[in-house]
Amino acid sequence: AQTVTQSQPEMSVQEAETVTLSCTYDTSESDYYLFWYKQPPSRQMILVIRQEAYKQQNATENRFSVNFQKAAKSFSLKISDSQLGDAAMYFCAYRENTGGGADGLTFGKGTHLIIQP
Amino acid sequence: NAGVMQNPRHLVRRRGQEARLRCSPMKGHSHVYWYRQLPEEGLKFMVYLQKENIIDESGMPKERFSAEFPKEGPSILRIQQVVRGDSAAYFCASSFRGGTYEQYFGPGTRLTVT
Repeated sequence: AQTVTQSQPEMSVQEAETVTLSCTYDTSESDYYLFWYKQPPSRQMILVIRQEAYKQQNATENRFSVNFQKAAKSFSLKISDSQLGDAAMYFCAYRENTGGGADGLTFGKGTHLIIQP
Repeated sequence: NAGVMQNPRHLVRRRGQEARLRCSPMKGHSHVYWYRQLPEEGLKFMVYLQKENIIDESGMPKERFSAEFPKEGPSILRIQQVVRGDSAAYFCASSFRGGTYEQYFGPGTRLTVT
């Protein structure tokens, strides 16, 4: 079974600085997707960024970028120029792409990101 | 274009009662996923449905829990004879199709069992 591990229960960063959230995963599949979701206090799950395993290029969305290391099964999220609105729980998630109907996401336990003004 | 709708947003039930959680997918979406989030935990996949079909229920507890997605109307997650351990936030997500298509999440239903 696939597992997703986020080893940092909480991270704190000064506003305008850069922070990196860690995620590792375990799978025997070669074709899959990885995601970072943000959950603010409203509890709404918001997709931040996604990465296809077959793509070597790291995904980037404005201030958010990932460092995808497929061999190491590592998928970290870097937030540049941190803003107060970035404060939230961040969840790393995995989904295989086998076409067999197993489309449910597997989530890590989350990292609580605090932004210090 | 309205997003994924869930109701009620908050639901309180006494032990032994039934809980019914509703999810209306985004317009044009025919695939629905249910997830449960226990306190201080990530979301756990429960079930994946298409219209009138259960595709994957590998994450559903074997007893008391059921889900449906009829041809007309919202998807329903039903919990019979609730216990305190069922207290959680239940999220629904929808997608246009399965596979590589993005899952869009609703705001969740917070169930409290007293």
